[in-house]
Amino acid sequence: EPEVTQTPSHQVTQMGQEVILRCVPISNHLYFYWYRQILGQKVEFLVSFYNNEISEKSEIFDDQFSVERPDGSNFTLKIRSTKLEDSAMYFCASTGQETDTQYFGPGTRLTVL
Amino acid sequence: AQSVAQPEDQVNVAEGNPLTVKCTYSVSGNPYLFWYVQYPNRGLQFLLKYITGDNLVKGSYGFEAEFNKSQTSFHLKKPSALVSDSALYFCAVRLFNTDKLIFGTGTRLQVFP
Repeated sequence: EPEVTQTPSHQVTQMGQEVILRCVPISNHLYFYWYRQILGQKVEFLVSFYNNEISEKSEIFDDQFSVERPDGSNFTLKIRSTKLEDSAMYFCASTGQETDTQYFGPGTRLTVL
Repeated sequence: AQSVAQPEDQVNVAEGNPLTVKCTYSVSGNPYLFWYVQYPNRGLQFLLKYITGDNLVKGSYGFEAEFNKSQTSFHLKKPSALVSDSALYFCAVRLFNTDKLIFGTGTRLQVFP
């Protein structure tokens, strides 16, 4: 069964550094999402992406964040200058044309020191 | 504000007994409703969804959920719990005109042998 994959599984970085989190959505899916889950808190929507542009974003998704689909398979989330409060589990999700269901990857745990 | 409530942080049930994990929502309009399960060190796995039609929906691993519009609830149920059902369960809603899923805080299900 096709799955969303994410790399790395765990990323440790210093405050102020840039990080790029990578996702490979399910191959025939067209809609892509990033969510995050701060430890002990809810899963929160960050951004959705379709047809090479952002279709919706939350208040969390400020100028420090960006997303990109650099090729036909990868979908990335970049945080330009990480803060301590960016420490969280980041989930990528994708959905196809014919479904309302978002399928999630296993997540990347980001630790900002 | 749109919100999803999972009133129980943890539900304990003996193996073989029926289980219920509760979810209520407060949104405008008619939402799409979802249940996801998260096993340790894994992503969010889709269990089932309600879009329209029959109020009782069946999903993976023998789970089902009942949509109750008057009570704005979407409780997850299973007739006979297994120890392997022990995990973190998330209820989520999506409005038809947005991309984002709004998640509840999660309920930890513990099934005892």
